[in-house]
Amino acid sequence: AIQMTQSPSSLSASVGDRVTITCRASQGIRNDLGWYQQKPGKAPKLLIYAASSLQSGVPSRFSGSGSGTDFTLTISSLQPEDFATYYCLQDYNYPRGFGQGTKVEIK
Amino acid sequence: QVQLVQSGAEVKKPGASVKVSCKASGYTFTSYDINWVRQATGQGLEWMGWMNPNSGNTGYAQKFQGRVTMTRNTSISTAYMELSSLRSEDTAVYYCAREGYDILTASKGGMDVWGQGTTVTVSS
Repeated sequence: AIQMTQSPSSLSASVGDRVTITCRASQGIRNDLGWYQQKPGKAPKLLIYAASSLQSGVPSRFSGSGSGTDFTLTISSLQPEDFATYYCLQDYNYPRGFGQGTKVEIK
Repeated sequence: QVQLVQSGAEVKKPGASVKVSCKASGYTFTSYDINWVRQATGQGLEWMGWMNPNSGNTGYAQKFQGRVTMTRNTSISTAYMELSSLRSEDTAVYYCAREGYDILTASKGGMDVWGQGTTVTVSS
């Protein structure tokens, strides 16, 4: 199974900051990677699919990049509603695998 | 609108089974795979398996092989996930999620629609 290693596990940031989260796959997965946001008590929400495609309705301050084994989620200017936990997920093959999550907290 | 609506919370005793339903609406049920994902309190997301509602084909995470069964009833656009031999470690929120597809780019579209989650509590 492909292992997804996400970092950092948590970070503290201020409103307006640029935030970067990384995800590394244990083997190449082309661009078959998505990023998800989850708030407490809620289902995850798809932000980015195919590594860099913005899901409909998601603000443009979210962007994704990468291919092969290394991927990045960037929030260009952190907003109050962005404080949440973020997960990457490889959909290159089965079994699917999530990263461990990154909790973005208020500094 | 496109949505997945799951069945309500369950409380089960160790050794019992639970069956969670996931009713699709607003799209053609048989056109998109359904995944099941669970999350224990304070923990990360864990992928359990997938099902193709058209063919009924399934694939399960090794951890759940022999204990999980995913089925569907296409006449009512509903997917099911049954987990047997429950133990306390199975206490979690269980989600169904549709696997999208981007027609324009012919690429996988991520898990674009999620159910609201079903809390399963296993306790004696």
